[in-house]
Amino acid sequence: GENVEQHPSTLSVQEGDSAVIKCTYSDSASNYFPWYKQELGKRPQLIIDIRSNVGEKKDQRIAVTLNKTAKHFSLHITETQPEDSAVYFCAASKYNNNDMRFGAGTRLTVKP
Amino acid sequence: NAGVTQTPKFRILKIGQSMTLQCAQDMNHNYMYWYRQDPGMGLKLIYYSVGAGITDKGEVPNGYNVSRSTTEDFPLRLELAAPSQTSVYFCASSYLQENQPQHFGDGTRLSIL
Repeated sequence: GENVEQHPSTLSVQEGDSAVIKCTYSDSASNYFPWYKQELGKRPQLIIDIRSNVGEKKDQRIAVTLNKTAKHFSLHITETQPEDSAVYFCAASKYNNNDMRFGAGTRLTVKP
Repeated sequence: NAGVTQTPKFRILKIGQSMTLQCAQDMNHNYMYWYRQDPGMGLKLIYYSVGAGITDKGEVPNGYNVSRSTTEDFPLRLELAAPSQTSVYFCASSYLQENQPQHFGDGTRLSIL
């Protein structure tokens, strides 16, 4: 089955800097890649997703890039703010969400 | 809309006890899912359902059972609680169409002692 690896496990940046989180996946048939943000004790919330027919997607300070050949995708957060501090999860799935696999998460800390 | 509602929020069980975690959604989603999240780990799929009367196993189904008698409700049952089932359980739902975002509930934190 699909295997998703996520790096780094922890990331600390200064407010205003950029943060990059990377994920790799094993199944070349995967075609949907969401990113979730989970604040302490809260539910995971979708922040951005990308499908395999595009290479990049941007939403304000958040962007995701996908390299299908190398089977990796990345989350980019620019101009980080303290409220960006949370655990971020990447995931990958094929035709539907029944086979979605999550990465182990990255704990991002933005220092004021 | 309330979205996805899970009850209870917290529960402590003794080994061997049973309980049902409740999940309801009011978004008319066909798909519903149960995940568990162990400390410092990602989410692992326990069971899922593509509609009323249809359920199937996910990645880690052992020790759990589900039912889906209505579109809105998707309860998860633990029959003989074991310490390895100590975790945070999340229910989620999504539309039927391919690769739609999942909407999560607030989770149930379950400890088995």
